[in-house]
Amino acid sequence: AQSVSQHNHHVILSEAASLELGCNYSYGGTVNLFWYVQYPGQHLQLLLKYFSGDPLVKGIKGFEAEFIKSKFSFNLRKPSVQWSDTAEYFCAVTLVSYNTDKLIFGTGTRLQVFP
Amino acid sequence: EAQVTQNPRYLITVTGKKLTVTCSQNMNHEYMSWYRQDPGLGLRQIYYSMNVEVTDKGDVPEGYKVSRKEKRNFPLILESPSPNQTSLYFCASSFAGDQETQYFGPGTRLLVL
Repeated sequence: AQSVSQHNHHVILSEAASLELGCNYSYGGTVNLFWYVQYPGQHLQLLLKYFSGDPLVKGIKGFEAEFIKSKFSFNLRKPSVQWSDTAEYFCAVTLVSYNTDKLIFGTGTRLQVFP
Repeated sequence: EAQVTQNPRYLITVTGKKLTVTCSQNMNHEYMSWYRQDPGLGLRQIYYSMNVEVTDKGDVPEGYKVSRKEKRNFPLILESPSPNQTSLYFCASSFAGDQETQYFGPGTRLLVL
């Protein structure tokens, strides 16, 4: 079945540790890719997006993500996390090949950063 | 300030008692959408609307209704709520040409007893 997978359900890190959150999708055609963040008690905010061009995308707050087409992946990275990065992170895709703009979300990864 | 607002933010109700969750945006967006967020399932789309008087089902529409009589408003209606509709609900909006970049409301946490 077509899906968006986030294999890390819960990640716990200390401040200054490096972060990589996995995202894989199972669609064969052209996709647009997104990472959204939801801070505790707040609504979702767009962190970064990839439509085309350079597969390494830089977002807000020092986050970046790399699109690897051969691996159907769009992993989120940050070299040094802060306590304020504690949040839930959602990967999402839209299926350009299917001519739809519907966002399909992964199940989310809860990140806890301890000082 | 550009924003999507939802009301109420928190709601406790009983099975079968009709309720409406309002959603309003002040950005003149054509596209609006409702999602529910459940642990381990992420966000799933309930209904969406491409413009006034144009609505369509998302992935989990059963038990919900929507209407789009005005561009800025997109209320979610639960005619006869059931406990399996206990969830966190988000409204979102975007421009028609940029539907992927959606602006989300603050969420409505619903408990159906």
